[in-house]
Amino acid sequence: AQSVAQPEDQVNVAEGNPLTVKCTYSVSGNPYLFWYVQYPNRGLQFLLKYITGDNLVKGSYGFEAEFNKSQTSFHLKKPSALVSDSALYFCAVRDGAGANNLFFGTGTRLTVIP
Amino acid sequence: GAVVSQHPSWVICKSGTSVKIECRSLDFQATTMFWYRQFPKQSLMLMATSNEGSKATYEQGVEKDKFLINHASLTLSTLTVTSAHPEDSSFYICSATPGPAGEGFYGYTFGSGTRLTVV
Repeated sequence: AQSVAQPEDQVNVAEGNPLTVKCTYSVSGNPYLFWYVQYPNRGLQFLLKYITGDNLVKGSYGFEAEFNKSQTSFHLKKPSALVSDSALYFCAVRDGAGANNLFFGTGTRLTVIP
Repeated sequence: GAVVSQHPSWVICKSGTSVKIECRSLDFQATTMFWYRQFPKQSLMLMATSNEGSKATYEQGVEKDKFLINHASLTLSTLTVTSAHPEDSSFYICSATPGPAGEGFYGYTFGSGTRLTVV
């Protein structure tokens, strides 16, 4: 069975500081990993994905994530946080050997403090 | 880029009535569409997966007679909440993909969501 863990419900960071939002996963096959961002009363916006290739994935709005197979992690990072980055972030995984639906983590609310 | 349009963005209905939510892929053919439900401050829970021209596959615990899903074309899927009750109030989000996630495509595109309030 596939699962995703986002251990932090809330992350606070000062504007201009680096940010990290953590995600670990469990799948039986090769993982397809995604990060999405959600603003209030809106759908999900795609940030980045890892399917194969380089472990460091660069995405939208300056975000990046590193796929670590040994630690089964896919943490989201940004070198310098903006107040506008404040939102709800979801990590999601699809089992490459299984059904093509995504399984989501519980979400992490990021607050960037001016 | 791939765009999914979801309508309405919000709806208020009386208890006992039915509500239809539409999800359209505007610039690609959506082989598969997914319907999610999101409770306040919680994650997205997959309700069902629909493939064009076939019956939807519902997740365990989701009432198929209450949440009717139709995927009649490669660009349109609808979710109808029948005989809605206050406990059905939630945020519903659709997602579409042209097929298995792969190279050269963002994989899954999400609609902007529908806030359903049943009074």
